[in-house]
Amino acid sequence: DAKTTQPPSMDCAEGRAANLPCNHSTISGNEYVYWYRQIHSQGPQYIIHGLKNNETNEMASLIITEDRKSSTLILPHATLRDTAVYYCIVRLSYGGATNKLIFGTGTLLAVQP
Amino acid sequence: DAMVIQNPRYQVTQFGKPVTLSCSQTLNHNVMYWYQQKSSQAPKLLFHYYDKDFNNEADTPDNFQSRRPNTSFCFLDIRSPGLGDAAMYLCATSSHENQPQHFGDGTRLSIL
Repeated sequence: DAKTTQPPSMDCAEGRAANLPCNHSTISGNEYVYWYRQIHSQGPQYIIHGLKNNETNEMASLIITEDRKSSTLILPHATLRDTAVYYCIVRLSYGGATNKLIFGTGTLLAVQP
Repeated sequence: DAMVIQNPRYQVTQFGKPVTLSCSQTLNHNVMYWYQQKSSQAPKLLFHYYDKDFNNEADTPDNFQSRRPNTSFCFLDIRSPGLGDAAMYLCATSSHENQPQHFGDGTRLSIL
């Protein structure tokens, strides 16, 4: 079972920041928070991941609370092409057959013109 | 520049007729994964290879098999497809089991 909780859907105006929340209250110390998105009719796309520090890359920023029980993915200037299902996933930091991506239901982000 | 390539994008087969889905990668990654994604659901891992080591998920039906003849290619074989096997099948790769996965765009399988 997925260990995260996300709202089923969100709207965002084009050009504005999209803030997607995720709860992972049972996360353990050796688990990372990963974000993927899936645009319609495409495979999932890796966005970003983090352990406890905030992270930023060319696609997004990831803000993780100090207690690590929740996080927020931020798309700073949403475009219509960012409309997708966004998955928040926790997974172990080390390898092995048990270290797998377990996708939850995700958040459908609809960017409005 | 497609790095994980799945062909064909759409596959139609008959009930009970074996079908093979293909995946190739140009990333030289050690790990290759197969996921099943049914309509309006999240992807679900079927199995993965770490190099030549095969790891099957406990709830993957025996009807689903996989082959990895070399680093670049991995195949999903469905021995006797049933109507419930109609889905999008996604292939993914990663350099190691704890690294981000790169997905192909999937093959949508229909069963007649």
